[in-house]
Amino acid sequence: EVQLVESGGGLVQPGGSLRLTCGGSGFTFSNHPMNWVRQAPGKGLEWLSYIHSGSAPIYYADSVKGRFTISRDNVKNSLYLQMNSLRAEDTAVYFCARDGRNGYLDIWGQGTMVTVSS
Amino acid sequence: SYVLTQPPSVSVAPGQTAKISCGGYNIGSKDVHWYQQKPGQAPVLVVYENRARPSGIPERLSGSNSGNTATLTISGVEAGDEADYYCHVWDRSSEHVVFGGGTKLTVL
Repeated sequence: EVQLVESGGGLVQPGGSLRLTCGGSGFTFSNHPMNWVRQAPGKGLEWLSYIHSGSAPIYYADSVKGRFTISRDNVKNSLYLQMNSLRAEDTAVYFCARDGRNGYLDIWGQGTMVTVSS
Repeated sequence: SYVLTQPPSVSVAPGQTAKISCGGYNIGSKDVHWYQQKPGQAPVLVVYENRARPSGIPERLSGSNSGNTATLTISGVEAGDEADYYCHVWDRSSEHVVFGGGTKLTVL
């Protein structure tokens, strides 16, 4: 079964850091670009970052550029999101999503909740 | 930056046809993808590259794209279609993925 599973979410204080992990299985992880997308409570989807299958190029949304870093390990079939200088407005469910052949996001993880609060 | 505009809500009676629009400048020149999201669940791809359907998505869901508007059409709406729907494009100029604000489909 093709699957993505996120982990690493939790409660963190403003200004703190957190590292999310997304594990892929059931497909050749190294063949696919990957994305991180988040959804604040009661809000719509917000794209955060893209990483090509070979780790370059990388793109970021303006809201997280300079604070978040996307990376991947194709040997471990894993995608990462290092989040620094977290703010209350970063509180959201964070999804990883597989990039299909033409940019569509064909497989999504179940999401991991990040809460930024003191 | 590129903006996609969706109506916040669409309501339709069972068996009728729902049309969810996604407006953007010259969107007809881009590939548009659509996602369905039910409460507490991850989004699911329902239409990609304007009109293609992933396996398992019923033919009742279809897409079109021309000019400044892309449309997701759901024919013979069922109670199970009630969900939020999002359109998505890749904006080449900004190198950003762009999502529409989402449309809540209510089945009356």
